[in-house]
Amino acid sequence: KQEVTQIPAALSVPEGENLVLNCSFTDSAIYNLQWFRQDPGKGLTSLLLIQSSQREQTSGRLNASLDKSSGRSTLYIAASQPGDSATYLCAVPNNAGNMLTFGGGTRLMVKP
Amino acid sequence: GAGVSQSPRYKVAKRGQDVALRCDPISGHVSLFWYQQALGQGPEFLTYFQNEAQLDKSGLPSDRFFAERPEGSVSTLKIQRTQQEDSAVYLCASSSRRTLASQETQYFGPGTRLLVL
Repeated sequence: KQEVTQIPAALSVPEGENLVLNCSFTDSAIYNLQWFRQDPGKGLTSLLLIQSSQREQTSGRLNASLDKSSGRSTLYIAASQPGDSATYLCAVPNNAGNMLTFGGGTRLMVKP
Repeated sequence: GAGVSQSPRYKVAKRGQDVALRCDPISGHVSLFWYQQALGQGPEFLTYFQNEAQLDKSGLPSDRFFAERPEGSVSTLKIQRTQQEDSAVYLCASSSRRTLASQETQYFGPGTRLLVL
């Protein structure tokens, strides 16, 4: 059974810092990996989706990398801003492609 | 266009009460998913529909949980005889693809926050 773990569980940084969020998964036979953002009381918004054949994806100040063989992904946020404060979740689909397994999330607070 | 909508946004139920949670997916999306998210945790899969067919219900925690999507669009998650451990946010998501093994993402609704007293 796929297990997804995120470290750290919570993170507080001053505005402007570059930061890295970590995601690990136990079964490396994945189709893709997604990073989501969740604001309090809101649903999930997809940030980046990395296909298994890709090593990284970039969107603005966000860069996600994927190392399938080691079962790891990182989300890099450059020049963090207070508006980046949210919970960040990574997720992978199962072999049948009909469900996502999520990590527990990293709760990020960026202080002005 | 409109995203995934869910109603009610908040529901308070007394223990033992039945509740029904509604999900309106994005129009034309064939796949619909329900997840349960406990406080401080990531979402956990409950069930999956492809059009009106419920193809996977392995995540439903007990036979008190029932989901349907009779016409392949709107879905309802019903919880009978609610218990305190059912308190959570229930998220609905939809996708235009039949499989998540693609570049197409799932689009999530805002969730229904259920509190069982």
